[in-house]
Amino acid sequence: DTAVSQTPKYLVTQMGNDKSIKCEQNLGHDTMYWYKQDSKKFLKIMFSYNNKELIINETVPNRFSPKSPDKAHLNLHINSLELGDSAVYFCASSQRTSGDQETQYFGPGTRLLVL
Amino acid sequence: TQLLEQSPQFLSIQEGENLTVYCNSSSVFSSLQWYRQEPGEGPVLLVTVVTGGEVKKLKRLTFQFGDARKDSSLHITAAQPGDTGLYLCSTGQGNTPLVFGKGTRLSVIA
Repeated sequence: DTAVSQTPKYLVTQMGNDKSIKCEQNLGHDTMYWYKQDSKKFLKIMFSYNNKELIINETVPNRFSPKSPDKAHLNLHINSLELGDSAVYFCASSQRTSGDQETQYFGPGTRLLVL
Repeated sequence: TQLLEQSPQFLSIQEGENLTVYCNSSSVFSSLQWYRQEPGEGPVLLVTVVTGGEVKKLKRLTFQFGDARKDSSLHITAAQPGDTGLYLCSTGQGNTPLVFGKGTRLSVIA
Protein backbone atom coordinates (compact mmCIF):
# COMPACT_ATOMS: atom_id res chain seq x y z
CA ASP A 1 0.00 0.00 0.00
CA THR A 2 1.40 3.38 -1.01
CA ALA A 3 1.08 5.85 1.86
CA VAL A 4 1.76 9.09 -0.04
CA SER A 5 1.52 8.97 -3.81
CA GLN A 6 2.26 11.63 -6.40
CA THR A 7 1.55 11.87 -10.10
CA PRO A 8 3.24 12.22 -12.43
CA LYS A 9 6.67 10.94 -11.41
CA TYR A 10 8.33 12.75 -14.32
CA LEU A 11 7.16 15.93 -16.05
CA VAL A 12 8.98 17.53 -18.96
CA THR A 13 7.41 20.67 -20.38
CA GLN A 14 8.11 23.89 -22.23
CA MET A 15 8.60 27.26 -20.61
CA GLY A 16 5.34 29.19 -20.32
CA ASN A 17 3.11 26.13 -20.00
CA ASP A 18 0.74 25.46 -17.09
CA LYS A 19 0.97 22.12 -15.31
CA SER A 20 -0.44 20.34 -12.25
CA ILE A 21 0.98 17.76 -9.87
CA LYS A 22 -1.34 15.62 -7.79
CA CYS A 23 -0.81 14.16 -4.32
CA GLU A 24 -2.86 11.72 -2.29
CA GLN A 25 -2.28 10.20 1.14
CA ASN A 26 -4.09 7.22 2.64
CA LEU A 27 -2.70 7.60 6.16
CA GLY A 28 -5.63 9.57 7.52
CA HIS A 29 -3.35 12.52 8.30
CA ASP A 30 -4.77 16.00 8.67
CA THR A 31 -1.77 17.97 7.41
CA MET A 32 -0.17 17.93 3.97
CA TYR A 33 2.82 19.76 2.51
CA TRP A 34 4.58 20.64 -0.69
CA TYR A 35 8.37 20.85 -0.74
CA LYS A 36 10.79 21.83 -3.50
CA GLN A 37 14.21 20.15 -3.70
CA ASP A 38 16.67 21.91 -5.98
CA SER A 39 19.60 20.48 -7.89
CA LYS A 40 21.83 20.84 -4.82
CA LYS A 41 19.38 18.70 -2.83
CA PHE A 42 18.21 21.58 -0.65
CA LEU A 43 14.71 20.72 0.57
CA LYS A 44 12.52 23.74 1.24
CA ILE A 45 8.91 23.91 2.35
CA MET A 46 6.49 25.70 0.04
CA PHE A 47 3.01 25.18 1.49
CA SER A 48 1.25 23.41 4.31
CA TYR A 49 -2.46 22.61 4.58
CA ASN A 50 -4.27 21.45 7.70
CA ASN A 51 -7.76 20.03 7.15
CA LYS A 52 -7.97 21.76 3.76
CA GLU A 53 -6.90 25.14 5.17
CA LEU A 54 -3.65 26.85 4.20
CA ILE A 55 -1.46 27.30 7.27
CA ILE A 56 2.04 27.80 5.86
CA ASN A 57 2.79 29.75 2.70
CA GLU A 58 6.47 30.45 2.31
CA THR A 59 7.77 33.05 -0.14
CA VAL A 60 6.63 31.23 -3.24
CA PRO A 61 5.71 33.04 -6.49
CA ASN A 62 1.96 33.35 -6.95
CA ARG A 63 2.31 31.27 -10.12
CA PHE A 64 2.18 28.35 -7.69
CA SER A 65 -1.31 27.63 -6.41
CA PRO A 66 -2.04 24.71 -4.11
CA LYS A 67 -5.50 23.26 -3.84
CA SER A 68 -6.84 20.81 -1.28
CA PRO A 69 -10.24 19.35 -2.29
CA ASP A 70 -10.25 17.19 0.85
CA LYS A 71 -7.77 16.37 3.57
CA ALA A 72 -6.42 13.34 1.68
CA HIS A 73 -5.47 15.35 -1.41
CA LEU A 74 -3.21 18.31 -2.04
CA ASN A 75 -2.56 19.31 -5.62
CA LEU A 76 -0.12 21.89 -6.94
CA HIS A 77 -0.84 23.95 -10.03
CA ILE A 78 1.96 25.94 -11.64
CA ASN A 79 1.24 28.69 -14.17
CA SER A 80 3.65 30.09 -16.74
CA LEU A 81 6.45 27.67 -15.96
CA GLU A 82 9.98 29.08 -15.86
CA LEU A 83 13.37 27.40 -16.22
CA GLY A 84 14.05 27.95 -12.51
CA ASP A 85 11.02 25.86 -11.61
CA SER A 86 12.94 22.74 -12.63
CA ALA A 87 13.34 20.69 -9.46
CA VAL A 88 11.95 17.69 -7.62
CA TYR A 89 8.66 18.46 -5.87
CA PHE A 90 7.79 16.35 -2.85
CA CYS A 91 4.42 16.00 -1.22
CA ALA A 92 4.33 14.96 2.43
CA SER A 93 1.77 14.39 5.14
CA SER A 94 1.77 14.29 8.93
CA GLN A 95 -0.64 14.04 11.82
CA ARG A 96 -0.73 17.26 13.81
CA THR A 97 0.17 16.91 17.47
CA SER A 98 0.34 19.49 20.22
CA GLY A 99 3.71 18.29 21.41
CA ASP A 100 6.70 16.81 19.66
CA GLN A 101 7.76 17.37 16.09
CA GLU A 102 5.55 15.37 13.77
CA THR A 103 6.86 12.66 11.48
CA GLN A 104 6.71 13.69 7.85
CA TYR A 105 5.78 10.96 5.37
CA PHE A 106 7.07 11.87 1.94
CA GLY A 107 5.87 10.84 -1.48
CA PRO A 108 8.31 9.60 -4.14
CA GLY A 109 8.66 13.03 -5.74
CA THR A 110 7.79 14.58 -9.11
CA ARG A 111 10.79 15.43 -11.25
CA LEU A 112 9.91 18.57 -13.20
CA LEU A 113 12.10 19.70 -16.08
CA VAL A 114 11.25 22.94 -17.82
CA LEU A 115 12.86 23.40 -21.23
CA THR B 1 13.41 30.62 11.14
CA GLN B 2 16.21 28.45 12.47
CA LEU B 3 19.16 27.83 10.19
CA LEU B 4 20.55 24.31 10.29
CA GLU B 5 24.16 23.76 9.24
CA GLN B 6 25.14 20.24 8.29
CA SER B 7 28.67 18.96 7.86
CA PRO B 8 30.36 17.55 6.00
CA GLN B 9 28.48 18.28 2.81
CA PHE B 10 29.91 15.20 1.08
CA LEU B 11 31.46 12.05 2.50
CA SER B 12 32.80 9.06 0.61
CA ILE B 13 34.10 6.11 2.62
CA GLN B 14 34.92 2.44 2.29
CA GLU B 15 32.60 -0.27 3.55
CA GLY B 16 33.34 -1.09 7.17
CA GLU B 17 34.54 2.38 8.19
CA ASN B 18 32.94 4.48 10.89
CA LEU B 19 31.70 8.03 10.31
CA THR B 20 30.00 10.93 12.06
CA VAL B 21 27.92 13.71 10.53
CA TYR B 22 26.77 16.84 12.29
CA CYS B 23 23.83 19.22 12.47
CA ASN B 24 24.31 22.58 14.19
CA SER B 25 22.38 25.76 14.86
CA SER B 26 22.94 29.00 16.73
CA SER B 27 19.42 28.61 18.17
CA VAL B 28 18.04 26.08 20.62
CA PHE B 29 16.03 23.27 19.05
CA SER B 30 12.70 22.26 20.55
CA SER B 31 13.24 18.90 18.89
CA LEU B 32 15.20 17.57 15.96
CA GLN B 33 14.70 14.86 13.40
CA TRP B 34 17.09 12.95 11.15
CA TYR B 35 15.90 11.70 7.76
CA ARG B 36 17.62 9.58 5.11
CA GLN B 37 16.85 10.09 1.45
CA GLU B 38 17.93 7.39 -0.98
CA PRO B 39 18.45 8.25 -4.65
CA GLY B 40 15.17 8.69 -6.50
CA GLU B 41 13.02 8.54 -3.37
CA GLY B 42 11.58 10.82 -0.71
CA PRO B 43 13.15 11.29 2.74
CA VAL B 44 12.32 8.73 5.41
CA LEU B 45 12.40 9.49 9.12
CA LEU B 46 15.15 7.78 11.11
CA VAL B 47 14.73 9.33 14.56
CA THR B 48 13.34 12.22 16.61
CA VAL B 49 15.31 13.58 19.57
CA VAL B 50 13.74 15.93 22.09
CA THR B 51 15.77 15.90 25.31
CA GLY B 52 19.18 17.56 25.72
CA GLY B 53 21.89 14.89 25.99
CA GLU B 54 19.62 12.22 24.60
CA VAL B 55 21.22 9.26 22.78
CA LYS B 56 19.20 6.97 20.55
CA LYS B 57 20.40 3.90 18.71
CA LEU B 58 19.00 2.38 15.54
CA LYS B 59 21.06 -0.75 14.74
CA ARG B 60 24.46 0.64 13.62
CA LEU B 61 23.28 4.27 13.80
CA THR B 62 23.74 6.32 16.98
CA PHE B 63 22.06 9.71 17.29
CA GLN B 64 23.04 12.23 19.92
CA PHE B 65 21.33 15.48 20.89
CA GLY B 66 23.61 18.08 22.43
CA ASP B 67 23.13 19.02 26.07
CA ALA B 68 22.20 22.58 25.09
CA ARG B 69 19.90 21.33 22.29
CA LYS B 70 21.79 23.36 19.67
CA ASP B 71 23.50 20.49 17.90
CA SER B 72 23.11 16.85 17.00
CA SER B 73 25.28 14.12 15.55
CA LEU B 74 24.74 10.88 13.72
CA HIS B 75 27.40 8.20 14.03
CA ILE B 76 27.40 5.14 11.77
CA THR B 77 29.46 2.12 12.77
CA ALA B 78 30.82 -0.25 10.13
CA ALA B 79 29.13 1.52 7.23
CA GLN B 80 27.46 -0.59 4.54
CA PRO B 81 26.70 0.29 0.90
CA GLY B 82 23.03 0.32 1.91
CA ASP B 83 23.77 3.35 4.13
CA THR B 84 24.42 5.42 1.00
CA GLY B 85 22.10 8.39 0.78
CA LEU B 86 21.42 11.98 1.75
CA TYR B 87 21.15 12.50 5.51
CA LEU B 88 18.98 15.47 6.46
CA CYS B 89 18.31 17.04 9.83
CA SER B 90 15.09 18.96 10.40
CA THR B 91 13.40 21.01 13.08
CA GLY B 92 10.08 22.78 13.59
CA GLN B 93 6.69 21.96 15.01
CA GLY B 94 3.14 23.18 15.03
CA ASN B 95 2.68 26.17 12.73
CA THR B 96 6.41 26.86 12.53
CA PRO B 97 7.67 26.19 9.00
CA LEU B 98 9.73 23.02 8.97
CA VAL B 99 13.37 23.68 8.21
CA PHE B 100 15.78 21.18 6.74
CA GLY B 101 19.55 21.38 6.63
CA LYS B 102 21.28 21.08 3.27
CA GLY B 103 22.22 17.51 4.09
CA THR B 104 25.26 15.28 4.04
CA ARG B 105 25.64 13.13 0.94
CA LEU B 106 27.15 9.83 2.02
CA SER B 107 28.59 7.31 -0.39
CA VAL B 108 29.75 3.95 0.97
CA ILE B 109 31.92 2.06 -1.46
CA ALA B 110 32.02 -1.73 -1.35
